[in-house]
Amino acid sequence: DAKTTQPNSMESNEEEPVHLPCNHSTISGTDYIHWYRQLPSQGPEYVIHGLTSNVNNRMASLAIAEDRKSSTLILHRATLRDAAVYYCILRQTGANNLFFGTGTRLTVIP
Amino acid sequence: GAVVSQHPSWVICKSGTSVKIECRSLDFQATTMFWYRQFPKQSLMLMATSNEGSKATYEQGVEKDKFLINHASLTLSTLTVTSAHPEDSSFYICSARSGRLGRDTQYFGPGTRLTVL
Repeated sequence: DAKTTQPNSMESNEEEPVHLPCNHSTISGTDYIHWYRQLPSQGPEYVIHGLTSNVNNRMASLAIAEDRKSSTLILHRATLRDAAVYYCILRQTGANNLFFGTGTRLTVIP
Repeated sequence: GAVVSQHPSWVICKSGTSVKIECRSLDFQATTMFWYRQFPKQSLMLMATSNEGSKATYEQGVEKDKFLINHASLTLSTLTVTSAHPEDSSFYICSARSGRLGRDTQYFGPGTRLTVL
């Protein structure tokens, strides 16, 4: 499985945008970029995924670099409920499962 | 999003007993289910993958005779931790995926915290 690199932790002020980076320099052409987040003592929650084009949904936006070697998850306005560990995961088309790295622990400061 | 439930949400048992954890997809049929384990302050580790009606595929280092997985229907998978020991204490999380919902989205249950005394 292609590896991703994320900062261990980040902080953001409440109601400000947050940009969570992810490097995946060994990504292959068939790898989708997935983002999940895990709140304390809960299972992971799907956030967003994409292949080449930037993606938007009600939770977040995903900006994918043109060479696809990096991506950024954007939370437009952080709330206290967004405090969680955010995982950036690559998965090949047709591959069956997700392998989690260490993720980025996001702290939101009131 | 799709809903996956787990039961129980937590369990405490004595060493040597067996514990069964249920995972259900509530609003979709899960052709594939996954079981993960997460130790404190660590990431999720995939234990096994199961397809409905067939034997589970275990990841390297996971004992299939200790962690019994049954995926008897398209909405239910069970994980049985047999002869549990304190080192099996962990947060067990199931996940499900439906070919109809979209092959690239996997939904997770809320997790089951197992404590073995």
